[in-house]
Amino acid sequence: KAGVTQTPRYLIKTRGQQVTLSCSPISGHRSVSWYQQTPGQGLQFLFEYFSETQRNKGNFPGRFSGRQFSNSRSEMNVSTLELGDSALYLCASSRVAGRETQYFGPGTRLLVL
Amino acid sequence: DQQVKQNSPSLSVQEGRISILNCDYTNSMFDYFLWYKKYPAEGPTFLISISSIKDKNEDGRFTVFLNKSAKHLSLHIVPSQPGDSAVYFCAASGTSGGSNYKLTFGKGTLLTVNP
Repeated sequence: KAGVTQTPRYLIKTRGQQVTLSCSPISGHRSVSWYQQTPGQGLQFLFEYFSETQRNKGNFPGRFSGRQFSNSRSEMNVSTLELGDSALYLCASSRVAGRETQYFGPGTRLLVL
Repeated sequence: DQQVKQNSPSLSVQEGRISILNCDYTNSMFDYFLWYKKYPAEGPTFLISISSIKDKNEDGRFTVFLNKSAKHLSLHIVPSQPGDSAVYFCAASGTSGGSNYKLTFGKGTLLTVNP
């Protein structure tokens, strides 16, 4: 079974631009969560989607948004990029929302200049 | 407020010896705990989990111990192998006033296993 895939793997943007990252979960998985990893803060939860609905949201500004499609694929968008948004963005999927092991993709490395 | 803490940023052990990685948590609502391993340029890989109804879970060379009264868990790797060198993340989830199972991660411990 194919794992979680994320595109693109690497991205360079400039301040003020916006970016959209994509995540395809493991086949049959309906829950997708997004995390931001930075050297100083570790992995921080952004949001979780299940059946096209956002179920949980972390403590990030409104510039960070996401959505999930009917095929469970998910996108996250960051508008008005700031230098501090440079990070590894990880997507994780699980069969259902709730008490389920999450499986991670390789991440998208975003660099904001 | 960091609810999951891994106080050792790094740990170095000899091949064949035991590696013990520690994790402390503060939120008493956490009732499910996981360990992930992460290599550079890859996403975290699930290793082992434990529910709060247990105090030990074993899977091959990996054993997780949970001490609920101390709000402490540890991951034991025996014997340690050079391929185990990676960053290990402790994560926790639980309910707080409704359905809220999002994972809260520690900042990770870099394990280096020397040949």
